[in-house]
Amino acid sequence: KAGVTQTPRYLIKTRGQQVTLSCSPISGHRSVSWYQQTPGQGLQFLFEYFSETQRNKGNFPGRFSGRQFSNSRSEMNVSTLELGDSALYLCASRLGQEAFFGQGTRLTVV
Amino acid sequence: QKEVEQNSGPLSVPEGAIASLNCTYSDRGSQSFFWYRQYSGKSPELIMFIYSNGDKEDGRFTAQLNKASQYVSLLIRDSQPSDSATYLCAVTATTDSWGKLQFGAGTQVVVTP
Repeated sequence: KAGVTQTPRYLIKTRGQQVTLSCSPISGHRSVSWYQQTPGQGLQFLFEYFSETQRNKGNFPGRFSGRQFSNSRSEMNVSTLELGDSALYLCASRLGQEAFFGQGTRLTVV
Repeated sequence: QKEVEQNSGPLSVPEGAIASLNCTYSDRGSQSFFWYRQYSGKSPELIMFIYSNGDKEDGRFTAQLNKASQYVSLLIRDSQPSDSATYLCAVTATTDSWGKLQFGAGTQVVVTP
């Protein structure tokens, strides 16, 4: 059974640019959540999508957005990148109470 | 005050001993409690979750939940060097928020041969 797939694995972007990250959940999982992990703040919840609808949103600025497609694949977008957006972005696919994480996308903003 | 608190460690444990990790949470409405293990440079892996008071065992791992005292703990029996990792405690607030995990900062465990 395939796990959660995130692409790309690594990204380097310049301040002011925008970026789109992709997440393909485990087959049959309809819930996808996104998290940001940094050394200083730890793992922080960004948002959750279920059946193409945003169900929850964390305390991040509007530059962070996401969407989910009919096949449950999800994308998140960060516009006007700042140096502080450098982080590991993790996607979690959920069935019931169990959430499984992808390998993450390491974003570096220079 | 952080909503989910863990000792950052490192917690040094001799091989074969029991590692005891603690986590406290501030929201009395928290429903479910999760333990994840994260190796350096890797993503978190779910170890187990618990939602009823008491103990839940899975192999060498035991989760303990006390909602009255608002703490959850994880015991690792017969600790192995491969258990060296950061252990993350996470909680969900309501049944509508299973997709929203609130994480503690994690406890680093080092198992010494």
